Parts: sequence; structure tokens; C-alpha cells
Amino acid sequence: GESVGLHLPTLSVQEGDNSIINCAYSNSASDYFIWYKQESGKGPQFIIDIRSNMDKRQGQRVTVLLNKTVKHLSLQIAATQPGDSAVYFCAENMDTDKLIFGTGTRLQVFP
Amino acid sequence: GAVVSQHPSRVICKSGTSVKIECRSLDFQATTMFWYRQFPKKSLMLMATSNEGSKATYEQGVEKDKFLINHASLTLSTLTVTSAHPEDSSFYICSARTDRLAKNIQYFGAGTRLSVL
Repeated sequence: GESVGLHLPTLSVQEGDNSIINCAYSNSASDYFIWYKQESGKGPQFIIDIRSNMDKRQGQRVTVLLNKTVKHLSLQIAATQPGDSAVYFCAENMDTDKLIFGTGTRLQVFP
Repeated sequence: GAVVSQHPSRVICKSGTSVKIECRSLDFQATTMFWYRQFPKKSLMLMATSNEGSKATYEQGVEKDKFLINHASLTLSTLTVTSAHPEDSSFYICSARTDRLAKNIQYFGAGTRLSVL
């Protein structure tokens, strides 16, 4: 079936290092992707999005890469900080109102 | 901009009672609002989609008589968990989107932790 999944459930990085969070999606019809950050006990917070006609998009300290050939999405966080510790979800959209969320990756930043 | 407020943040109730959760878009008119349920260490599960003035569209397996959704205005949607039971204990999150901003970005509330005793 159609699904969005993540390769790593937990990622531990040292403060100051770069983090890479991966996401695999299976629906080739998806044309829009979003990364969300969810801190404990809070709702998801929008980080960055990308449309399928792009393969890279940069924000402040974050970059999203899209590889449509292998249906892979990644979120890169530069100079990871303790405040980046959270669960990160990718979500895909297929020109409907709905977002399909992946299973999530927990990012742990240690000093 | 694009702030979504959800209230209450936490509620504890007795089994058999009903609980209402409010979701408000504070600085924009929400074309569509969504209600999700999230179990510990799990992803978000969409329960229903609602548009202002029309009936909510429920996802498969979600009991519409159990989870009543009212979307009375472009800035307010409510979810009522009727006759709550311990298995309804969960983290409920709403989101909203608007055609005036990036079309498919959903802006989320802070969530409501429901504990049914």
C-alpha cells in the first residue's frame, strides 16, 4: 500500500554536528512534501516544504533534499543544537487536503 | 502568523462523560481543519477532515457518533469525545489550513492530552 516511512527511529548526534534525517515514500504521485518537528507534549511545527519539481530547498540551518528516482526525502540540520531535539516527521501530499505522515524519527542531541 | 490555538491542553475525566476540545485559528480563516489522534511514540493518525458549514469527513474506522466534530465558523472547530472510556485516552491534535497561505501546509495546535479514568 501507499506509505511514508523512515529509516531510523532514533538519531543521536553531538551538538554542533550536522544531522540527516531520512524518509522513504512509496507513492510516486505525491507532489508535495513537508517536514515537521514535534517537541514532547506539543503539536507538530512546520519546518520546511518542497514540491516535486524541485530536488533541494534550503531554509535557515535546514535543507530538504528530494530524490524522486528512489522516492527518498531527507532533512539536513546544520550545526545541530540542543533545541533541535525532537521527533521529526515527514509528510506527503497528493493534491488533496490530506497529509500522510511518516512514522517519525527522534533526534537526540548530546553535548 | 498562522497560529492555531487548542484548548484545553490537558483534561482528565471520568469514564462515561463527554469532553469537548476546541481548535481555533487565531490570525487566519481556516478553509479546512483536521483532527488527529496520536498514541505514545507513534505518528499522527488522521481522524477526520472538516470544512466550515459542512459535515466532517471521517477516516475509515473512526466512529463519527463517538467523535463529534462541529465546524461552526472559519476559525473554530470542536471535537467532542462522547461517553469517553479509558481506551479513548490519547493525545488529540488539531490542524488548520487555508488557501491564502501555502496551500497544503497544515498549522497545528499544541494538542490536548485526554486521560479517561
